[in-house]
Formats: sequence, C-alpha cells, structure tokens
Amino acid sequence: NAGVTQTPKFRVLKTGQSMTLLCAQDMNHEYMYWYRQDPGMGLRLIHYSVGEGTTAKGEVPDGYNVSRLKKQNFLLGLESAAPSQTSVYFCASSMDRAGGELFFGEGSRLTVL
Amino acid sequence: GDSVTQMEGPVTLSEEAFLTINCTYTATGYPSLFWYVQYPGEGLQLLLKATKADDKGSNKGFEATYRKETTSFHLEKGSVQVSDSAVYFCALSGHAGGTSYGKLTFGQGTILTVHP
Repeated sequence: NAGVTQTPKFRVLKTGQSMTLLCAQDMNHEYMYWYRQDPGMGLRLIHYSVGEGTTAKGEVPDGYNVSRLKKQNFLLGLESAAPSQTSVYFCASSMDRAGGELFFGEGSRLTVL
Repeated sequence: GDSVTQMEGPVTLSEEAFLTINCTYTATGYPSLFWYVQYPGEGLQLLLKATKADDKGSNKGFEATYRKETTSFHLEKGSVQVSDSAVYFCALSGHAGGTSYGKLTFGQGTILTVHP
C-alpha cells in the first residue's frame, strides 16, 4: 500500500534555481494539500486542491505554484528558490471535505543555499 | 482566524510516567479537533480525533476530551513507553462559513522523549 508518495526526498538548491516536488496518491482522494514544516511553527498550509484541475492558496502561498492536472498527482513548484524556502515539505490527501483524517507523505527536505 | 496553541516543549519523561500535553484553540463555530503524531523520519499520522463537544478520542492508550467551555483538547496517557517518543501536533478543522475542504490548522508541535 503506497498511500502518499513524495519525490524527491532530499534536494539542495542554489538561490534562484527552480524545482518541482511531486506528490502522488493512490487512494482516489479528492483533496490534496502541500504543507511546510519549520521548527517551532508547526505545519503551515501552502496550497491545496479540492479536485482535478483546481488549486487554491493556503496560509503561505508566496513563492510557490501548484498544479493538479491529474487527480492522483499534486505538484509544488518553486520558480526562483530563496533561502527562506529551506524547509521540510509535506504533501497530504483526504477524502473528507468536512475535516477528517489527512494522510501524509514522508516529507521532502529542501535546502536552499 | 483559527489558531492552535500547544504547550512548549520539549517534554522528557521516564518510562511509565503520566503524560499531559496541553492544547487550546481559537476558532469560529464548531471545529473538529485532532492529535497527530510524527515519528522520527516519517510523515504525520492521525492519533485520535473528536468532532463535537464532550467527545473523547482515544487510541493506543492516549486520550483527549473536546472541552468547548475551556476551548481545550489536552492529550493524556497514563503510562508512556520509549516507543511513544515522537513529535505530537494538535490540530483543528474549522467549519465556520461552510466547508473547510479538510484543511487543518496545526499547533507548533511538542517533542516528547521517553527514557527507559
């Protein structure tokens, strides 16, 4: 049972470089989310999607873009990475619009030098 | 907006000690409340939840009661084990003004270390 899979798991970038994080889920969930985790700040929502072809901004969307071209995939892009984007990124999915269980990937650790 | 505040950590306990991690929240309406746990090197996983006032969520010996009067959802366990060492997150899903689309607001996390 794969669940939610994130790639890559680790990445080091230089300031100004671009990259894409891929999230794939095999549970046929409608809702998908990207969070970032920083020490002492918990998890903060970057962007989310309520279905194929839809995206919406979360709490900290600046500097990121997302796409949901297929229901099972949710991509997070950094067009011009900055050191402030050094973080651990988590993708999650859910089937419950009213607020049920989120299923998380194992995380992607990104360092921007 | 919605917010969740957890007790400052880290928390260090000896095996078989009693655990309490405090969590209070601010939200409009009637949110659902959750505790998630993150083991080293892993993603978060749901530990327990409560969807209405006075509900008690429980799992793996952990319990938390949804207290609307004190806007709290404190996590407790009577006897912790070394294997409980992890980061614990309190979270809420707000319902004010319509659906939350499953979005969660998280507290800052509490690191728990249990020594033999």
